Amino acid sequence: GQQVKQSSPSLTVQEGGISILNCDYENDMFDYFAWYKKYPDNSPTLLISVRSNVDKREDGRLTVFLNKSGKHFSLHITASQPEDTAVYLCAAGLHQGGSAKLIFGEGTKLTVSS
Amino acid sequence: DMKVTQMPRYLIKRMGENVLLECGQDMSHETMYWYRQDPGLGLQLIYISYDVDSNSEGDIPKGYRVSRKKREHFSLILDSAKTNQTSVYFCASSLGTGGDAETLYFGSGTRLTVL
Repeated sequence: GQQVKQSSPSLTVQEGGISILNCDYENDMFDYFAWYKKYPDNSPTLLISVRSNVDKREDGRLTVFLNKSGKHFSLHITASQPEDTAVYLCAAGLHQGGSAKLIFGEGTKLTVSS
Repeated sequence: DMKVTQMPRYLIKRMGENVLLECGQDMSHETMYWYRQDPGLGLQLIYISYDVDSNSEGDIPKGYRVSRKKREHFSLILDSAKTNQTSVYFCASSLGTGGDAETLYFGSGTRLTVL
């Protein structure tokens, strides 16, 4: 089964609004959580990540919220802009040695309309 | 310049042919990965390599094998390609140790079509 799941394949938000992207995971041993952004015909790039010892991390317009008991994490993008339009991939992983073996969700296509 | 390079960018093969996808990185990263991306399925991990000759199966290894003889180079091999292996293949690398150990740096992808 899908260990990391993004239940919304798409989301449309008005420019200036808040985009909320959600991700659920199954393995409660996961200790690292990340969001990647992907433009069409481009490779994914890391947006923001957290480790399991924090519940929230902010970076500019981006905030990650981690709910370990609910096995859920989310990405909030404030003041959404048309250039935020992309596919957002959540990922969760478990450290094995130094590396984290990351499992990705299916992706959510965010469209910010002006 | 931090870079993950994949070759080729596009590839068309016939069913039953052998396929070699190449990946290189210039960051001396310990860990390298091969993922495939299919519509509605996101990125699925095929193999992970923790260093030279230290490879481990991911979630969908069947039909694939890998080779890592130098730290900077990681190959994905399809022996006798099948039509259901048509996909976009991404290589990635990560530092493996240290503060930025988990961040994956992706190549630009190889779009493989198996006819």
